Amino acid sequence: GAVVSQHPSWVICKSGTSVKIECRSLDFQATTMFWYRQFPKQSLMLMATSNEGSKATYEQGVEKDKFLINHASLTLSTLTVTSAHPEDSSFYICSARNPLNTEAFFGQGTRLTVV
Amino acid sequence: AQKITQTQPGMFVQEKEAVTLDCTYDTSDPSYGLFWYKQPSSGEMIFLIYQGSYDQQNATEGRYSLNFQKARKSANLVISASQLGDSAMYFCAMREPLRPGSARQLTFGSGTQLTVLP
Repeated sequence: GAVVSQHPSWVICKSGTSVKIECRSLDFQATTMFWYRQFPKQSLMLMATSNEGSKATYEQGVEKDKFLINHASLTLSTLTVTSAHPEDSSFYICSARNPLNTEAFFGQGTRLTVV
Repeated sequence: AQKITQTQPGMFVQEKEAVTLDCTYDTSDPSYGLFWYKQPSSGEMIFLIYQGSYDQQNATEGRYSLNFQKARKSANLVISASQLGDSAMYFCAMREPLRPGSARQLTFGSGTQLTVLP
């Protein structure tokens, strides 16, 4: 079964509203989680690294005030897309690394459509 | 900086045949990890295989094997006995080495869309 759970799997929202996406590690404590964005037919681009108990580290070009990340516990990180616009429509996917092994586990992804 | 290159945007293979998906990488670090993921149309990322830079043997997982050529900096994925369900996007990824302050995130290649023909 899935070891990283991401919700919702898809969401449609109106322009100007905010959307929260949750990423939970089910079988292990994840001090670090990663948020990626993927446009159709393209690769995964790292948006930010979410650190439990501290501020997220954002990649260059990613607006931290627009993409709010909270990692309040060792099993949950949230990404909030604030004041969403149609250009924010994309596939967002989280990843958590189990420090005890080599593999990085991914959530199921969230397909966001802003209308 | 690390870089992953997948030069095949799309590949076709006949069912039951083997196929090789290319991946080259560039890094100055002696320690790194290489991954292959499968992404079907549903979007989930499915882990296939891992190769550590110091691993002596090429990694294998069922029908998946990794042709690791360290000197050439290539880590090609070989899928044997292709099945229709193998049709998907395949991504090669590299993880940065363990160092103080490093989050060890994955850097992905551009992907290869594999289509298995009946």
